Amino acid sequence: AQSVTQLGSHVSVSEGALVLLRCNYSSSVPPYLFWYVQYPNQGLQLLLKYTSAATLVKGINGFEAEFKKSETSFHLTKPSAHMSDAAEYFCAVSSYSSASKIIFGSGTRLSIRP
Amino acid sequence: SQTIHQWPATLVQPVGSPLSLECTVEGTSNPNLYWYRQAAGRGLQLLFYSVGIGQISSEVPQNLSASRPQDRQFILSSKKLLLSDSGFYLCAWSPEGAGGNLGQFFGPGTRLTVL
Repeated sequence: AQSVTQLGSHVSVSEGALVLLRCNYSSSVPPYLFWYVQYPNQGLQLLLKYTSAATLVKGINGFEAEFKKSETSFHLTKPSAHMSDAAEYFCAVSSYSSASKIIFGSGTRLSIRP
Repeated sequence: SQTIHQWPATLVQPVGSPLSLECTVEGTSNPNLYWYRQAAGRGLQLLFYSVGIGQISSEVPQNLSASRPQDRQFILSSKKLLLSDSGFYLCAWSPEGAGGNLGQFFGPGTRLTVL
């Protein structure tokens, strides 16, 4: 079985500050890991994904995440927050399957202070 | 390129009325298709998924059903809506045979309010 835990349902940072959103996973098989972003009243957009290649993954909008197997973590970071980063962020885990099902975390709402 | 459409964008329905939400994907063949529900302030709940025409898998027993009458069309239905059916409904797709490593791609969603 697979699961994802996102630490912190709400994170608030100042504009220009470091963004760190935490995600820990559990998987009995090699995982595929994803971060999605959701703006209000919109669908989810894929930010980045880890699929067993490089452990440091770069995504859109300046975000990146590092896969750490020893810590079972896949934290999302951005060096300098922008007001437009305010959104809900979801970490997700998958593994090889014909149906490509994904298990989503409960989400972290990111707020940016001016 | 591939695109995914959902309609309607918003819907207000009385309790006990029927429901039909539609999702279509363009630019790909035989995609895997998914219906999710997102209740207010909560995460995503997978409702149904389909790996081919007429093949529907249900994740949770409830008041809803799904159908896939065509390769790139996925429909979510209910005969009688409940108040608890309110939420944001998201359709998603993934490429056939990708094995899960490409992720899923989401539509814009339908906001359903049951009064």
